[in-house]
Amino acid sequence: DAGVTQSPTHLIKTRGQHVTLRCSPISGHKSVSWYQQVLGQGPQFIFQYYEKEERGRGNFPDRFSARQFPNYSSELNVNALLLGDSALYLCASTREGQGTSYGYTFGSGTRLTVV
Amino acid sequence: AQSVTQLGSHVSVSEGALVLLRCNYSSSVPPYLFWYVQYPNQGLQLLLKYTSAATLVKGINGFEAEFKKSETSFHLTKPSAHMSDAAEYFCAVTSRGGYSTLTFGKGTMLLVSP
Repeated sequence: DAGVTQSPTHLIKTRGQHVTLRCSPISGHKSVSWYQQVLGQGPQFIFQYYEKEERGRGNFPDRFSARQFPNYSSELNVNALLLGDSALYLCASTREGQGTSYGYTFGSGTRLTVV
Repeated sequence: AQSVTQLGSHVSVSEGALVLLRCNYSSSVPPYLFWYVQYPNQGLQLLLKYTSAATLVKGINGFEAEFKKSETSFHLTKPSAHMSDAAEYFCAVTSRGGYSTLTFGKGTMLLVSP
């Protein structure tokens, strides 16, 4: 089975631009979460989606938004990019929204550089 | 609210030596606990998890961790380090039930010397 896939793997954007990151969960996983990992730090929670509904949101500005599609894939959108948005963006999937004893499976991430 | 503290941003060991990476958590409800490993330019790989079964948890690559409620700790150990263990390790906590999310520590970089 394919793992969690993210695209693109790397991209460079200019301040003020908009970016869309994509994630496909493991087959059968209905929950997708997004995390931001700034260099030298642990991942920080941005969003969780389950069955196309937002189930959790971290402490990020409204410039960050996300959605989940009927096939459970997800997009993370960031508007008006700032230099501080440069980070590795990780997507994680799990079987259900609740019962996180299953653990999360992470993708390899998208490295975003804002210049 | 949940939080994780990983003591030591860097830990250096010699090949064949014991590996001990420390993790203390704070949670208002009984937690689930996880250790993840991250190799350079890669995502996170689950090493092991504690979900209220046995308090001593065995994971992949010879790692294990022990949940100690009285000490609110979940330290990661490996009896004999290998060069391939060099990576960054993250401890994470989440609460049981609900649409809970992972709260990560800041990570510990494990350096293994020959």
